[in-house]
Amino acid sequence: ETGVTQSPTHLIKTRGQQVTLRCSSQSGHNTVSWYQQALGQGPQFIFQYYREEENGRGNFPPRFSGLQFPNYSSELNVNALELDDSALYLCASSPGRYEKLFFGSGTQLSVL
Amino acid sequence: GNSVTQMEGPVTLSEEAFLTINCTYTATGYPSLFWYVQYPGEGLQLLLKATKADDKGSNKGFEATYRKETTSFHLEKGSVQVSDSAVYFCALSNAGGTSYGKLTFGQGTILTVHP
Repeated sequence: ETGVTQSPTHLIKTRGQQVTLRCSSQSGHNTVSWYQQALGQGPQFIFQYYREEENGRGNFPPRFSGLQFPNYSSELNVNALELDDSALYLCASSPGRYEKLFFGSGTQLSVL
Repeated sequence: GNSVTQMEGPVTLSEEAFLTINCTYTATGYPSLFWYVQYPGEGLQLLLKATKADDKGSNKGFEATYRKETTSFHLEKGSVQVSDSAVYFCALSNAGGTSYGKLTFGQGTILTVHP
């Protein structure tokens, strides 16, 4: 049990739509990172938020955006969905930028 | 840029067999190295880590040694159990210090252990 909860567990969208994925971290975890894991691949870093500010971004276009809230919850938003966005999206939180990560079980997004 | 390459899988072993999963990396500077494990239906869990050359990370009978000369971080276990069946990911971070948040992962190796 990592204390990181993601919702929804599964989601189906159509191309061009927008989606919001949610993550609830442990109390005191001021850092959250988001990863995309395509089928059969390792997770790829999307971005990290530290104390509600973006603190690093991977090689993902601006239509991937995020928010972090003071209550230790966060969101990943993806606009103009493409078929290649189909993947497992993982949220990971930590009590600091240089601390151990705690991963959620992920949201499986399918884009049709 | 950073990259991590894991041995081709999947790996199938009998219980009590010796396990090696190879991992090599490309990175600038002095990255920290990690092994993560993903059990069916669960999130990724940190298995072990090493933050500098010649460090050995160990946990639950698994070991890996940070070899800078060969840019490798191979995972080993002397006697696997059925409960070790999972997907194993090698990863690195060189975002500064021992930052764990911005990781580059390998493609993962599926391990299946039969009784």
